[in-house]
Amino acid sequence: QTVVTQESSFSVSPGGTVTLTCGLSSGSVSSSHHPSWYRQTPGQAPRTLIYSTYTRSSGVPDRFSGSILGNKAALTITGAQADDECDYYCLLYVDSDTNWVFGGGTKLTVL
Amino acid sequence: QLQLQESGPGLVKPSETLSLICTVSSGSISSGRYHWGWIRQPPGKGLEWIGNVYYSGGTYYSPSLKSRVTISVDMPNNQFSLRLTSVTAADTAVYYCARQAGSGLDSWGQGTLVTVSS
Repeated sequence: QTVVTQESSFSVSPGGTVTLTCGLSSGSVSSSHHPSWYRQTPGQAPRTLIYSTYTRSSGVPDRFSGSILGNKAALTITGAQADDECDYYCLLYVDSDTNWVFGGGTKLTVL
Repeated sequence: QLQLQESGPGLVKPSETLSLICTVSSGSISSGRYHWGWIRQPPGKGLEWIGNVYYSGGTYYSPSLKSRVTISVDMPNNQFSLRLTSVTAADTAVYYCARQAGSGLDSWGQGTLVTVSS
């Protein structure tokens, strides 16, 4: 069974830059896996940040950017702010049998 | 702006069937550009993709839930639904409906908590 991997936690200083990654337990991530990224604060529904690897969702500031780094999808946050402290999830299309799978999520701390 | 709203019982007994409806407003479910999907999140845990449906009725499911899940579309009412059979406590979660393009989920409902308990 294919697992989508994310860092369980990460920390960044206010104003700093952080890159979160999204990988596959077997194989490399490419744009054909249609990586997308979501953020979620406690008690709220997730909010879409990035889809189709690079494309920012409507209203998402350009501090957030998506890419492929090596064999993983990546979400880079520049100029980190206190309210960026929340959970971040990636979603990948794995294959026609498995369909779509979320990563386990990364808890980002800004301090 | 597209809105999605989940509705259904908040409490389901073990071994029974969980049924939820997602009502779509300010957008048509018959748009051929999108699938309409369900995602869940157990308390304190991560997101799990359950499956989705195309307006024509074609469905895609997570292999781990496929034997118990049915997602269907009701075009006249601009709704789609989730049925999950033989539920256990492990199915207790917040259930979200969402619109899914080919490249990700772009609109979400607010979510509804379903608790499985006798």
